[in-house]
Amino acid sequence: ETGVTQTPRHLVMGMTNKKSLKCEQHLGHNAMYWYKQSAKKPLELMFVYNFKEQTENNSVPSRFSPECPNSSHLFLHLHTLQPEDSALYLCASSQDPLWDRNTEAFFGQGTRLTVV
Amino acid sequence: QQPVQSPQAVILREGEDAVINCSSSKALYSVHWYRQKHGEAPVFLMILLKGGEQKGHDKISASFNEKKQQSSLYLTASQLSYSGTYFCGTGSSSNDYKLSFGAGTTVTVRA
Repeated sequence: ETGVTQTPRHLVMGMTNKKSLKCEQHLGHNAMYWYKQSAKKPLELMFVYNFKEQTENNSVPSRFSPECPNSSHLFLHLHTLQPEDSALYLCASSQDPLWDRNTEAFFGQGTRLTVV
Repeated sequence: QQPVQSPQAVILREGEDAVINCSSSKALYSVHWYRQKHGEAPVFLMILLKGGEQKGHDKISASFNEKKQQSSLYLTASQLSYSGTYFCGTGSSSNDYKLSFGAGTTVTVRA
């Protein structure tokens, strides 16, 4: 248990569906992140939020839309996805948004997304 | 630019040692190491911030060679609990919000 909770754990959706992934942390962290993890590939950073403000959009297609209503919650809204978007989506948080200042990231267990 | 990890996979018997390397084509400011067990969240192991810095976590230690732009993770006297996929994450700037992760090294420790 890392203190970062993601729901749902598994999601199967059609290409025309709209769904949302939820991430929650009550660690008092100020920065939250979405990562995509595909098999045999490096973790890909998607979005970074610092104090609820988006500071990074790593060239992510517009069919992925993040939302950070407060510093404890992070959503990833999905619509008209493609089969190649199937992956494990990981949420993470850290106390300090500058990860190099001896600050660790806490990851959730991820949402396994399958697009059919 | 994502770091390159080697080897991709390693199989060990309990008590054996292993080294996992993480190399970058860019100058590095920091190196982070995480371990992910199957079906679980990646868990933080350690951060190295200075060139030449070495750190230890139980019998897992790491070094950071700033000149060579690489870091190595050492698994000593491996235990069954060391099984998992190890990721290195590299930061190239003190003002960078991002970490670039390698593809991971899968470690399997057998009795």
